[in-house]
Amino acid sequence: KNEVEQSPQNLTAQEGEFITINCSYSVGISALHWLQQHPGGGIVSLFMLSSGKKKHGRLIATINIQEKHSSLHITASHPRDSAVYICAVRNTDKLIFGTGTRLQVFP
Amino acid sequence: EAGVTQFPSHSVIEKGQTVTLRCDPISGHDNLYWYRRVMGKEIKFLLHFVKESKQDESGMPNNRFLAERTGGTYSTLKVQPAELEDSGVYFCASSQIDREQYFGPGTRLTVT
Repeated sequence: KNEVEQSPQNLTAQEGEFITINCSYSVGISALHWLQQHPGGGIVSLFMLSSGKKKHGRLIATINIQEKHSSLHITASHPRDSAVYICAVRNTDKLIFGTGTRLQVFP
Repeated sequence: EAGVTQFPSHSVIEKGQTVTLRCDPISGHDNLYWYRRVMGKEIKFLLHFVKESKQDESGMPNNRFLAERTGGTYSTLKVQPAELEDSGVYFCASSQIDREQYFGPGTRLTVT
């Protein structure tokens, strides 16, 4: 069993839909990252959080430390949101990654 | 401000050959990390430098892999001799102490 589990693995949505991607972890962490990778592109950091909730534009990330769970929400999804979204937790000083969630948003 | 850069972007080599990957971190970032994604698997940690010192190399798969960061600036990751299972995408990331990591575009290594 991976130390960081994401669900779903694949997600398709119609433009405008509300998207939720979940991440659960089983190790102690100092922070949790949500990352985005477009096809053929590099990895971009969306959020780093250690408690509560953060919002950036249409993206919202929440974390529940007691339940060892985080969610990434995308409101009013758009085809340009199509990418792989990766949850990674900081354990000591290294990151442990989930397998990623492949999101496709259709017009 | 320039981001993390990696060279080459792609490398195709034959089994048994040597390849050296390079990472230039963001200027002023003392932390430098190497990660690898093997096909179909999640990204895995390889090692972590703080300035020129190896802080954690617990993820290095075996002694065919050698990482250096002379002078605490750029880093190289050498694979010698390369094996088929070394194929994957090698990512470098850098950060300031206790801050978020910024990733490079990755080097896609194919060993044939």
